Amino acid sequence: QKEVEQNSGPLSVPEGAIASLNCTYSDRGSQSFFWYRQYSGKSPELIMFIYSNGDKEDGRFTAQLNKASQYVSLLIRDSQPSDSATYLCAVKESGGYQKVTFGTGTKLQVIP
Amino acid sequence: SAVISQKPSRDICQRGTSLTIQCQVDSQVTMMFWYRQQPGQSLTLIATANQGSEATYESGFVIDKFPISRPNLTFSTLTVSNMSPEDSSIYLCSVPSEGSDTQYFGPGTRLTVL
Repeated sequence: QKEVEQNSGPLSVPEGAIASLNCTYSDRGSQSFFWYRQYSGKSPELIMFIYSNGDKEDGRFTAQLNKASQYVSLLIRDSQPSDSATYLCAVKESGGYQKVTFGTGTKLQVIP
Repeated sequence: SAVISQKPSRDICQRGTSLTIQCQVDSQVTMMFWYRQQPGQSLTLIATANQGSEATYESGFVIDKFPISRPNLTFSTLTVSNMSPEDSSIYLCSVPSEGSDTQYFGPGTRLTVL
């Protein structure tokens, strides 16, 4: 069974700090990686995707991918209370069907 | 991104009954996905709904329990049959983004089975 692992948290950071969220995956052939944000009672919202090794920046968000180590991370700079949510890592599996597998999510709390 | 709506947004149902959830997209899409998110858990793919063919179910999910219809390229339904309290979950439909690997989710249906 292909797995995506995340620390469930909660991860607490003070307002203005950098939040670092990590994810590991088991399918070495995976090529597409996603971060979704899910507020309580709401559906997941895509915030970042990354395909290549290295960093990808979008505003306060940076996704980092290391395929050799099979991990992907999300950095949130200048964290705001509005960033408090559960962050889901998702990985598109290799192979013909290319199913997306979601991690269990990390709950982030940004303390004012 | 696609605009996705779901009906109902929430429901409370009795054990042994069935509920049909509707998913409507504002553009034509080849595939639609149905997910379940149990309390405190992540998303689990139930099935992929393809227009003009039978849905493809994931391991642990069967057509008799979760029949799916896909009458056209903008609409799908998921029925949760013979419900038990263990079916209490949020049910989400999603569609792939045009030209990319990403998916967009509908607002979800929060189901409580008593």
